[in-house]
Amino acid sequence: DAKTTQPTSMDCAEGRAANLPCNHSTISGNEYVYWYRQIHSQGPQYIIHGLKNNETNEMASLIITEDRKSSTLILPHATLRDTAVYYCIVRVSGSARQLTFGSGTQLTVLP
Amino acid sequence: GAVVSQHPSRVICKSGTSVKIECRSLDFQATTMFWYRQFPKQSLMLMATSNEGSKATYEQGVEKDKFLINHASLTLSTLTVTSAHPEDSSFYICSAKGRGETQYFGPGTRLLVL
Repeated sequence: DAKTTQPTSMDCAEGRAANLPCNHSTISGNEYVYWYRQIHSQGPQYIIHGLKNNETNEMASLIITEDRKSSTLILPHATLRDTAVYYCIVRVSGSARQLTFGSGTQLTVLP
Repeated sequence: GAVVSQHPSRVICKSGTSVKIECRSLDFQATTMFWYRQFPKQSLMLMATSNEGSKATYEQGVEKDKFLINHASLTLSTLTVTSAHPEDSSFYICSAKGRGETQYFGPGTRLLVL
């Protein structure tokens, strides 16, 4: 699975959009981009995933560049409860293999 | 999204005893379950992968005789930490995957070995 690079930490003001970047320059054509988050002392929570089209659900939007070498997770109106470590993970479609976690981005939403 | 539960949420035990952690997929059949471990200020590290009805596959450095994994049904996997020692104190997280693409995680079990 392709490696990802994320900033170590980011701050965001409450109510503003949080834009979390992820680089995956070695991604293959059959690899999905997944986003999970982990709130302190809890298990990871699935947020969203996509292959090449932009995706949106009730939690967030995922914007994938045309060359698929990077993506951005957007939380449109961040709240204090969105403070967490956000993980960007790439995995082959249809794979039964596990998700491999990097160090992620610590997002802190400030009041 | 799909729900994965773990029990217990936290456990304290004496050194040398065994501890069993249960992981259940509540609303889907998990063809594959994964067990992760997370130490403070670190990321999740995969311990083992198990498929229903077959033996678990352990990651390098994880002792299979110490961390016993049973995946007896499509909705239940158990991790037993045998002869636990203080260095086994950690946050243990299970994850389950059905036929779809997404892997769902349990809430985690915090183990403290005294």
